[in-house]
Amino acid sequence: GAGVSQSPSNKVTEKGKDVELRCDPISGHTALYWYRQRLGQGLEFLIYFQGNSAPDKSGLPSDRFSAERTGESVSTLTIQRTQQEDSAVYLCASSVTGTSSYNEQFFGPGTRLTVL
Amino acid sequence: DAKTTQPNSMESNEEEPVHLPCNHSTISGTDYIHWYRQLPSQGPEYVIHGLTSNVNNRMASLAIAEDRKSSTLILHRATLRDAAVYYCILRLYNQGGKLIFGQGTELSVKP
Repeated sequence: GAGVSQSPSNKVTEKGKDVELRCDPISGHTALYWYRQRLGQGLEFLIYFQGNSAPDKSGLPSDRFSAERTGESVSTLTIQRTQQEDSAVYLCASSVTGTSSYNEQFFGPGTRLTVL
Repeated sequence: DAKTTQPNSMESNEEEPVHLPCNHSTISGTDYIHWYRQLPSQGPEYVIHGLTSNVNNRMASLAIAEDRKSSTLILHRATLRDAAVYYCILRLYNQGGKLIFGQGTELSVKP
């Protein structure tokens, strides 16, 4: 079947605007993760969903960042009042479940966000 | 969070084996060792994982030290397509499976 998809692939916005990033996980995967990767850096964990609940939001950098998941499927990451330091590639991943420590995660291609 | 330590970069020649080391001295008994790699301009992809015993799959082998404080990812015959950043990650048993990425090892492969 299809892998993890993300949209848009690229987003350019002006400082202060809100943006929404979308993730469509692999069908049947109950766990969904958002990560951020700044230029030349490793990935930073943002948030984890198990089903539609988010038991771990510890990586969200500020209250400008929020995420939701519906129907145990699509997830949206929203960044309000964007700042230049929000510029990064935002990656989504899904796995069969998050309640096991051996399930592999499948990553999407990412959304490159540029804040001018 | 449990941490891993890897060399920043390594070089290999095409068709030769590559051994990528990782230290994880603070690993706990229920942490799985995962390896992912990230090719240029792509999201990471899973390579292999293990708990205590050595593991083999079609991509690579994982050798885990007896005390589990270190591991080595082995690519048996490097190809140009294996040039990537390789991340060694401890996947924590009780934290929903989130991956804590370090800086990884950037592997370059020379023809």
